[in-house]
Amino acid sequence: QQQVKQSPQSLIVQKGGISIINCAYENTAFDYFPWYQQFPGKGPALLIAIRPDVSEKKEGRFTISFNKSAKQFSLHIMDSQPGDSATYFCAASKGRGSTLGRLYFGRGTQLTVWP
Amino acid sequence: GAGVSQSPSNKVTEKGKDVELRCDPISGHTALYWYRQSLGQGLEFLIYFQGNSAPDKSGLPSDRFSAERTGGSVSTLTIQRTQQEDSAVYLCASSYTSGGSYEQYFGPGTRLTVT
Repeated sequence: QQQVKQSPQSLIVQKGGISIINCAYENTAFDYFPWYQQFPGKGPALLIAIRPDVSEKKEGRFTISFNKSAKQFSLHIMDSQPGDSATYFCAASKGRGSTLGRLYFGRGTQLTVWP
Repeated sequence: GAGVSQSPSNKVTEKGKDVELRCDPISGHTALYWYRQSLGQGLEFLIYFQGNSAPDKSGLPSDRFSAERTGGSVSTLTIQRTQQEDSAVYLCASSYTSGGSYEQYFGPGTRLTVT
């Protein structure tokens, strides 16, 4: 059973456009929601993360929007660039206060940004 | 500083042979995680270490898989009697477990091919 559902599977955006990737979860015990970026042949790199006590977090061109009541969160990439072309994974984890536990990953979104 | 390192980067083995995969976490990170990435299954959790103990090994797919961690640092994932379905990229991640930082940082992975 997939604990974190991610869409779309692939996304094509023009340079300068906004890329939006969505994720949904069921387990209300999740309290940490990171996004990872992965280039071919490399390990996933932590991009940005959010906790459910805030509804939005922005770092540069990357923004996470979080809707706790809907159990959904999304990644927005503003002014998308060809260098952003990669696979993006959302994830969720539970365990506040001490050790953070295992990450449950979405299936990934392959983003292509056309120049 | 140095990130998570893994060795070997690529491993080709014959069906039925045993393999050992190594992970060197970021210095000072007490938590260490193994994940597996394959086309059909996405990113799957295998096992989690806190120090040298493994409080969560629920993701190990069979008793052919085992892992250990020594000195609170290096970890080895061993696969005995390898099968073709074991072919995947094996990823290691590490994190702090105190000070409010819970991010998991991934290594580049070991690509295992079982022929």
